[in-house]
Amino acid sequence: SQQGEEDPQALSIQEGENATMNCSYKTSINNLQWYRQNSGRGLVHLILIRSNEREKHSGRLRVTLDTSKKSSSLLITASRAADTASYFCARDNSGYALNFGKGTSLLVTP
Amino acid sequence: NAGVMQNPRHLVRRRGQEARLRCSPMKGHSHVYWYRQLPEEGLKFMVYLQKENIIDESGMPKERFSAEFPKEGPSILRIQQVVRGDSAAYFCASSWTGLNEQFFGPGTRLTVL
Repeated sequence: SQQGEEDPQALSIQEGENATMNCSYKTSINNLQWYRQNSGRGLVHLILIRSNEREKHSGRLRVTLDTSKKSSSLLITASRAADTASYFCARDNSGYALNFGKGTSLLVTP
Repeated sequence: NAGVMQNPRHLVRRRGQEARLRCSPMKGHSHVYWYRQLPEEGLKFMVYLQKENIIDESGMPKERFSAEFPKEGPSILRIQQVVRGDSAAYFCASSWTGLNEQFFGPGTRLTVL
C-alpha cells in the first residue's frame, strides 16, 4: 500500500494551544497536500507542499516536509474551537491520485 | 467563482437500484477525480477523468461502477445494482492541471437500504 499514517489518531487540546499532526508515507511523492474535514462535510484544501520544498506557511498553519524521513507535519498555532475537525494528509505520488490516511481527529475545547 | 458542485447531496437507494452521482468541476478545471469515503476512513481514489477521457480507473470496481466526463455537462459516477456495501460518501474533486491542488465538492452520501 502506498498509504501512510497520520499520527496521532485523535488529539484534544484547549483553545490557544498549538496542535501538531504528523504524516508518514512509504513511497516517493510529487507533493503532499493537507486537508480539513468538518464532521459530515466535504474537504477543505489547506496547503500543498512540493517535494522540493521544506516548509510552507499559511496564516496560523505551518507545514514541514522531510523527504529523507518520508514525513510531514502540520502545526496549527493558537488553536480555536473552530479548528475542531479531522485533518488528512494526502500523498500525490502518481501525478494525480491522492492517497489519504485515516486522518487525525482534532478537538479544541474552549 | 463557484466551487465544485455535487448533486444530490444525499441519495437513498434500495438494493438492486441504480445510483447516479453528478459532479460539476470548478470553472476552468478540466480534470475530475472521484473518491469514496467509508465511515471513519480516509478517502480512496476511484477514477481520474479529463474531458471525454478516462485516464485512470484503477481504483474503481470493475463491475457495476462506471464514470464519464462528457464534452458538455457534468461528470457522472454511475453505480448499477447497488448493494449495501456501496453505502459511503462519494467525493468529486477537480483541478486545473493534473499536478495542482485538487478542490473537493461537498460529497454525495449514498445510503443503500
